[in-house]
Parts: sequence; C-alpha cells; structure tokens
Amino acid sequence: AQRVTQPEKLLSVFKGAPVELKCNYSYSGSPELFWYVQYSRQRLQLLLRHISRESIKGFTADLNKGETSFHLKKPFAQEEDSAMYYCALSGGGGSEKLVFGKGTKLTVNP
Amino acid sequence: GAGVSQTPSNKVTEKGKYVELRCDPISGHTALYWYRQSLGQGPEFLIYFQGTGAADDSGLPNDRFFAVRPEGSVSTLKIQRTERGDSAVYLCASSREAGELFFGEGSRLTVL
Repeated sequence: AQRVTQPEKLLSVFKGAPVELKCNYSYSGSPELFWYVQYSRQRLQLLLRHISRESIKGFTADLNKGETSFHLKKPFAQEEDSAMYYCALSGGGGSEKLVFGKGTKLTVNP
Repeated sequence: GAGVSQTPSNKVTEKGKYVELRCDPISGHTALYWYRQSLGQGPEFLIYFQGTGAADDSGLPNDRFFAVRPEGSVSTLKIQRTERGDSAVYLCASSREAGELFFGEGSRLTVL
C-alpha cells in the first residue's frame, strides 16, 4: 500500500532561516514523489517532482530511497513561502494514482 | 484556457438526500481525479479516470459513492443517502502528464 507521512503538522521559522519540511513514504515499488503547495485562498498546485531535479522558488527535494524520505528544503525562507505543503506519492510505472500526506503548515515570520 | 471548474462551490443538504458534484477539466486532459479533503487532513484519493473509464476507484468509501465521465470530459460525483460524515471539500483535478495535477477550487459539501 502507498502511504505518505508528514510528521509535522505545523512549522514556524523566521524570514531568512533555513527550512526543512519532512516527508517519509512507504511503498514497495519504485515511487515517484511530488510536493504540492496551497497558498492562502489559492488552489492546490504542483511545486516540484523528484524526477525533474529542479529548484522551484528556491526549494529542492532529494529522494532518499534508503531512508524512504523526500524532504523539502530551502536555505533562506521568505514570508511568501507561508502555505500548506503536501507531499505526494505515485506508484509510477503507469499508475497515476496520487496519494497525499496530511500536510504541513509553514509559517514564515518577519 | 480556464482551469478546472467545479460546481457547485458550496452545497448544503440534509442527511439522506442525494447530491451531485460536477467537474469540468482542462480541455485535452485525459486523466481526471476526485479527492475528498476533511478539515486538517490532506486530500484523500477517491477515484481517477483515464478517458471515460474508471482506472482506479479503490478510494470510494462505499457503494453510496459513484462517479461517471461518460464522454471523457466532464465528470459527476454522485453521493446517495448522504450522511453527516460525508461533509468535506470535494476536489477535482485533471492532468495530461502523470503526477502533475491541476486542481479545481473544490465543492464544499455540508450535510446537516
């Protein structure tokens, strides 16, 4: 079964501080991992995916298969990063079912 | 070039009634998803379609829930004999590429 765990419901940091949002997953095959973000009063949207290996809005995430983790990191948080962040997993190999974690609410204080 | 559109945005109904929620995906997107989101929770997978057929309906909680996509575009989520526990935001998403979902604003269902 596919499972995504985000252990922190709330995370608060100061502007300019590093931030790491944790995500662990459980899946027996080769998963594809994603981070989605929902800003206040906006729709849920894709932030980044592990296969693209991109940095989006200064965020990066590395898939660690040994630790079954896909933590989201940013070296210097900005106030506009305040949002709900959801980690998501797809089984890959043509399976398009996407399973989400419960989310972490990030607040970046001035 | 509008995004995913969901109607109604808000629906209040009484326990035991029948409800339909509609989703109009982005044109050309073959995959369409339904999720349910309760307060403080992440989106919970219900069902997804590839074209007209349900490719995976493993998330539908029971036989009161049913979804259709007869022409491979618009989809309707149908809930029979609604219960108070069905109250949630129902999210629809469409995609052209696996994993990259475009979400609607959701339909908030309240069952009294």
